[in-house]
Order: sequence, then C-alpha cells, then structure tokens
Amino acid sequence: NAGVTQTPKFQVLKTGQSMTLQCAQDMNHNSMYWYRQDPGMGLRLIYYSASEGTTDKGEVPNGYNVSRLNKREFSLRLESAAPSQTSVYFCASSDLTGGGYTFGSGTRLTVV
Amino acid sequence: AQSVTQLGSHVSVSEGALVLLRCNYSSSVPPYLFWYVQYPNQGLQLLLKYTSAATLVKGINGFEAEFKKSETSFHLTKPSAHMSDAAEYFCAVTTYSSASKIIFGSGTRLSIRP
Repeated sequence: NAGVTQTPKFQVLKTGQSMTLQCAQDMNHNSMYWYRQDPGMGLRLIYYSASEGTTDKGEVPNGYNVSRLNKREFSLRLESAAPSQTSVYFCASSDLTGGGYTFGSGTRLTVV
Repeated sequence: AQSVTQLGSHVSVSEGALVLLRCNYSSSVPPYLFWYVQYPNQGLQLLLKYTSAATLVKGINGFEAEFKKSETSFHLTKPSAHMSDAAEYFCAVTTYSSASKIIFGSGTRLSIRP
C-alpha cells in the first residue's frame, strides 16, 4: 500500500546547486501535483500534470521545472537553488475531480 | 477564481471539549470542499469532502463538516476532542472547471489541553 512515494526525504543544497525531487504513485491516478509548504502560508501549487504528457504552471512556478515521465512518475527540478526555495515539498496525485488528493510524506529541502 | 480563508491560525481546546475550526470559501461556481489533517512530519490526509451531495459530511476520526451556501462556510467540528487530534488542519476548495487544482487555506493548528 505504497500510495505516493517521494525521494529524498531530506536534502541540503548550496545556493546555485541543482537537484531533482522524485515522485511516484501506484494508484493509476491521471493527475499529479507538486506543492510547497511554508509556515503560515498553507500549501501553494508549483506545477501540476492533469494527465500523462501534459504539465501546467501553478501559483508559484518560478525557479522550477517538471517532467511527467510516465503515468506513475512526476519529477520536480530546481536548476539553480536559492535560499527562498527552502521549504517542504509535497507531491500528490488524484483521479477524478472532486475526489481529493493522496499526498506523499514530503521532502524537506534546505538551501544554504 | 477560488479562495479559502481559515479563521484562526491556532485553536486550543481542552480534552473532551467541542472542536470547531472555521473555514470560509469564495467560488463563482459550485465548489467542492475538503478538510485535510497533517500530523507532525507527515503528509496530508483527507478527513472529509463535500461534492454537492449531502450538506452535512461525516469524515474519519469523528469529524464532520456542514456546507452552508448562504454563509459560504464549511466549518469542521468534533463533539469531544482527544489528545490524538492535535495536528494542523487545512481547508481546501476546487471546482469542476479548474481541472482538479485544489486551493488550500493557510491552516489551523489544533492543540489539546489535558
């Protein structure tokens, strides 16, 4: 019963370094999402993929890129990390509109 | 566009007392509404959802919420708080026309006093 799996769970980067956050779901969901969570700001949508082969910007896409590799996998890339990208990142997936999301356990990223 | 406002970033109640977490939404079309719970160092877990069926929605762990269109509210309640209810709670909204993007409120941290 894996659900949504995110890797890594923790990461420390230096300013300017790049990295990719991985996300995979085993529920055959069509849609996948990347959110960031910051204190007092709730969850903000970075990018989403409504279906395999499509991606769209969310509320805070600057500094990020995504790839929907296949139906199961949706990765988030930071090309040149900045301290403002220090956050907890959550991947989620869903099937039908109105059904809610299933979330991964998160990646805690610190950029120094 | 949709939005969600959660009233009170921190709520503290005594064990056994009523829990009331407030959420107001804004949407130009009929909304779908959700409450999620987040325990420390974990992801979000769906508590309950409203999708235009019954206005009183029952969820897991004894929580329920009532959709009130006239008040644009979707408040979360539980009759008797348990210590295990201490967590952060998020209200969220989407609509069928928004390609299933969900907009989250800023969250309410619930503390339970012994």
